[in-house]
Amino acid sequence: EAGVTQSPTHLIKTRGQQATLRCSPISGHTSVYWYQQALGLGLQFLLWYDEGEERNRGNFPPRFSGRQFPNYSSELNVNALELEDSALYLCASSLVQGNPSGNTIYFGEGSWLTVV
Amino acid sequence: LAKTTQPISMDSYEGQEVNITCSHNNIATNDYITWYQQFPSQGPRFIIQGYKTKVTNEVASLFIPADRKSSTLSLPRVSLSDTAVYYCLVGEFPSGYSTLTFGKGTMLLVSP
Repeated sequence: EAGVTQSPTHLIKTRGQQATLRCSPISGHTSVYWYQQALGLGLQFLLWYDEGEERNRGNFPPRFSGRQFPNYSSELNVNALELEDSALYLCASSLVQGNPSGNTIYFGEGSWLTVV
Repeated sequence: LAKTTQPISMDSYEGQEVNITCSHNNIATNDYITWYQQFPSQGPRFIIQGYKTKVTNEVASLFIPADRKSSTLSLPRVSLSDTAVYYCLVGEFPSGYSTLTFGKGTMLLVSP
């Protein structure tokens, strides 16, 4: 079974441009989470989508946005890129069930975004 | 949201057992404890999850005392490939995962 897949693996953009990152969850998973991990830092929560709706948002400016498609895949858009947006962007997916036992989130390998 | 505290780093040698303890004094009734492993430039990998007492799988054991204010990840007979950052997360699934802060984790260095 395929895991969480993300594309592109690496992306280089110029300051002020827009970046779009894509994520395909594990088959059957309906929730997608986005995290940012700057070099040497921990993972910071960005966005959570479930069943096509944005469920929660981390402490990031509005230029970070995203959406979830009917097939549960998701994309993260970062507008007006700034140098400090350079980071590893991780997508994770999960299956939301009533019984939380054994449920957790599974991560993709991430997309490296470099802003120059 | 339960705040967690882990050692910043730990050193070990191949073949030894490694125990990494995480403190979570304000854990809530519905919170589960989950541990992840992360190698450089890769996404975190799920290791183990538990609610209370002891959980064991093919790669690790998780010990949770009765008060659940701490947990210990036990890695038996570590190898060089176990060198990684280990994160302890405490939260209620699924909404809690949207507010989890992974923090800096514990950097485990395994030497020959």
